[in-house]
Amino acid sequence: DVKVTQSSRYLVKRTGEKVFLECVQDMDHENMFWYRQDPGLGLRLIYFSYDVKMKEKGDIPEGYSVSREKKERFSLILESASTNQTSMYLCASRTPATDTQYFGPGTRLTVL
Amino acid sequence: KQEVTQIPAALSVPEGENLVLNCSFTDSAIYNLQWFRQDPGKGLTSLLLIQSSQREQTSGRLNASLDKSSGRSTLYIAASQPGDSATYLCAVPDTGRRALTFGSGTRLQVQP
Repeated sequence: DVKVTQSSRYLVKRTGEKVFLECVQDMDHENMFWYRQDPGLGLRLIYFSYDVKMKEKGDIPEGYSVSREKKERFSLILESASTNQTSMYLCASRTPATDTQYFGPGTRLTVL
Repeated sequence: KQEVTQIPAALSVPEGENLVLNCSFTDSAIYNLQWFRQDPGKGLTSLLLIQSSQREQTSGRLNASLDKSSGRSTLYIAASQPGDSATYLCAVPDTGRRALTFGSGTRLQVQP
């Protein structure tokens, strides 16, 4: 079974802090994605990566950056956390072979 | 830009009923459609993926159909159980980015 893990289930940070969200997948998938999910807005794409060291902006990249130094790990970075970044963050991975996206359990981030 | 709509937004049924969840999309040039389940506060679990060349896909009590020309998909759940209570999301991939565009979901409650 494909496994996508995220470093924290719940996280509380203060405004202005630098925040790292980690995602690891164990199936050698080329593509990885970060989404955020908010009530009334659904899931929105923040950043994605086709492969190691490759990254592309999604629909709402402002205030975020990403890092993909190894194939299995895709990190989302909040450079200076703000209260409007309080949300559920979901990581996903995909291989072109099956086209199925597999999601991690999510990180619920609260910025105070 | 692709838009995905799910109707109804919420549904409550007694245990044992058969039910249908609907998903529509505006751009019919999709190559697959994926159905997910999300339990409260959790990540997404992939249920079914239908390729554009298929019309149906089945897994246990779940059956998903796809009609590209009309821009519609349905998820049929047979003999519903309380354990089926969750939010069900459909999603289609962006042609270029392979990221998913999601519907807003149908929140299903199955009463014992």
